[in-house]
Amino acid sequence: KAGVTQTPRYLIKTRGQQVTLSCSPISGHRSVSWYQQTPGQGLQFLFEYFSETQRNKGNFPGRFSGRQFSNSRSEMNVSTLELGDSALYLCASSLRGTSGNTIYFGEGSWLTVV
Amino acid sequence: SQELEQSPQSLIVQEGKNLTINCTSSKTLYGLYWYKQKYGEGLIFLMMLQKGGEEKSHGKITAKLDEKKQQSSLHITASQPSHAGIYLCGAHLNDYKLSFGAGTTVTVRA
Repeated sequence: KAGVTQTPRYLIKTRGQQVTLSCSPISGHRSVSWYQQTPGQGLQFLFEYFSETQRNKGNFPGRFSGRQFSNSRSEMNVSTLELGDSALYLCASSLRGTSGNTIYFGEGSWLTVV
Repeated sequence: SQELEQSPQSLIVQEGKNLTINCTSSKTLYGLYWYKQKYGEGLIFLMMLQKGGEEKSHGKITAKLDEKKQQSSLHITASQPSHAGIYLCGAHLNDYKLSFGAGTTVTVRA
């Protein structure tokens, strides 16, 4: 079966712009989480959605937002981009998002802010 | 500081030699995940350990979970160039959020 699909894979944006990243989870998975990965901070949790509801949120400013649709597909949006937002954004999918569920990751979306 | 501490930060091993990576939690572990990542790519799921004392193997990679010590170890036997990459441990330390260690970079020299 298809894995976790993230689009786009690479993108370059200018400071002040906004960006939307998309994630299609594995079929049947209802939990989608987003992570930001940078060389300095490692993998940082952004938020987790289950059945269109945000269940947990990391320590990121309000410029970072997300949503989940009824088909479990998820999007994250970053508004007013800053240079420090340049990172690999990873999406993860699991059945329920709780301990004991295998969690699969997509290939990520590379965002460069110039 | 990281809630999950990985050691070592990096290691270089001769092809054919064994290696061990440790992951120690500052909080109670409710299961632990191991992933492998090539730089700039997604995380590849290796193993999930749920019970204290549990041990799982995937090819030449074996992982163990010691709940009492709040620690897990990943052991690679007879390393090959294909084992090179970044190994990350993750755990549910809070609801619906997977926390990660900083990663261990493994280099395998021919």
